[in-house]
Amino acid sequence: EAAVTQSPRNKVAVTGGKVTLSCNQTNNHNNMYWYRQDTGHGLRLIHYSYGAGSTEKGDIPDGYKASRPSQENFSLILELATPSQTSVYFCASGEPNERLFFGHGTKLSVL
Amino acid sequence: QEKVQQSPESLIVPEGAMVSLNCSFSDSASQSIWWYQQHPGKGPKALISIFSNGNKKEGRLTVYLNRASLHVSLHIKDSQPSDSAVYLCAVETEGADRLTFGKGTQLIIQP
Repeated sequence: EAAVTQSPRNKVAVTGGKVTLSCNQTNNHNNMYWYRQDTGHGLRLIHYSYGAGSTEKGDIPDGYKASRPSQENFSLILELATPSQTSVYFCASGEPNERLFFGHGTKLSVL
Repeated sequence: QEKVQQSPESLIVPEGAMVSLNCSFSDSASQSIWWYQQHPGKGPKALISIFSNGNKKEGRLTVYLNRASLHVSLHIKDSQPSDSAVYLCAVETEGADRLTFGKGTQLIIQP
């Protein structure tokens, strides 16, 4: 089964601090995605990537940056974290027209 | 932007019952429609997808797609307590390798 690993699993950050969420996939998939999941909103796409060096804005990119330094790694960066960014973040990888494989999620609390 | 709506929000049924979950979407040019299952504390896992009008069966799962009415449904036969989870409908946007998710249906199967 395809593997997507997220780190950390849990993170507590202070308002105004910098947060980096990391994602690694061993599936050799070209596409990678960052979603956040909140009660009442479901899964919403933040940023995605078609391959190393590429990042694209999703539906809610404000306040987030993404970095895809290699095929395997995709990071989500919060330069100035705010309490509204408290959420569960999921990374996923996949190929066009095929299923996505999700990580277990990162629970982020911004105090 | 694609809109995906699911109903009901939650559903409680006895073990062995047939379960029916509904999903409507806004773009008739959408590509594949996917159903994902998410257990508490886990990432979503793909169950089944459909592209063409009609139905598709895999094991205890059957999915029906009607593009004219922009509606897709998932039916689970002989439901088991292990089927208790959140079910997410996801629509693939035409021309982009990305999914838009609904808010999900919380399903509880009572033994």
